[in-house]
Amino acid sequence: EPEVTQTPSHQVTQMGQEVILRCVPISNHLYFYWYRQILGQKVEFLVSFYNNEISEKSEIFDDQFSVERPDGSNFTLKIRSTKLEDSAMYFCASRDRPDEQFFGPGTRLTVL
Amino acid sequence: AQKITQTQPGMFVQEKEAVTLDCTYDTSDQSYGLFWYKQPSSGEMIFLIYQGSYDEQNATEGRYSLNFQKARKSANLVISASQLGDSAMYFCAMREAGGGATNKLIFGTGTLLAVQP
Repeated sequence: EPEVTQTPSHQVTQMGQEVILRCVPISNHLYFYWYRQILGQKVEFLVSFYNNEISEKSEIFDDQFSVERPDGSNFTLKIRSTKLEDSAMYFCASRDRPDEQFFGPGTRLTVL
Repeated sequence: AQKITQTQPGMFVQEKEAVTLDCTYDTSDQSYGLFWYKQPSSGEMIFLIYQGSYDEQNATEGRYSLNFQKARKSANLVISASQLGDSAMYFCAMREAGGGATNKLIFGTGTLLAVQP
């Protein structure tokens, strides 16, 4: 069964460093998302992406964040200069229809 | 603004019994959808069940069913015949109206379910 994949599963970085989180959405899906979950808290929307552009972003998604679909399969989230408070689980999700949204296994980002 | 409320931070259930996890929502939209996800301790988000606001029948998927009461704005998840592997965090989520390019999900705070042998 097709699934969303994410790499790496765990990323440790120093404060101020850039990180790129990678996702491969389900192949026929057109809508892509990034969410984050700070430890012990609920899942929060970051950004949605459709037709090679951002369709919506939350207030969390400031200038330090960017997304890209560099080729036909990958979807990336870049954090330009990480802060301690960026430590969280980051989930990629994709969908084709409105009644679905499939999540990847997540990347746990730890900023030291 | 849309909001999801899960009032049960934790629940216990005996193996083989049924359990209901509560979810209420707030929206002024006529068209919306409700999702339930399971998050085991390993961290992934597993899709369980979906209910559209115009669906007249309650959604069912195997041992999962959604008790959708539109007038009360509730979308409770019922798990029948609980198994030890059902122990996990459960999140209720709502998508925005229509089928537009966003359809972001808004999540509740979750309910931690522990199934006891």
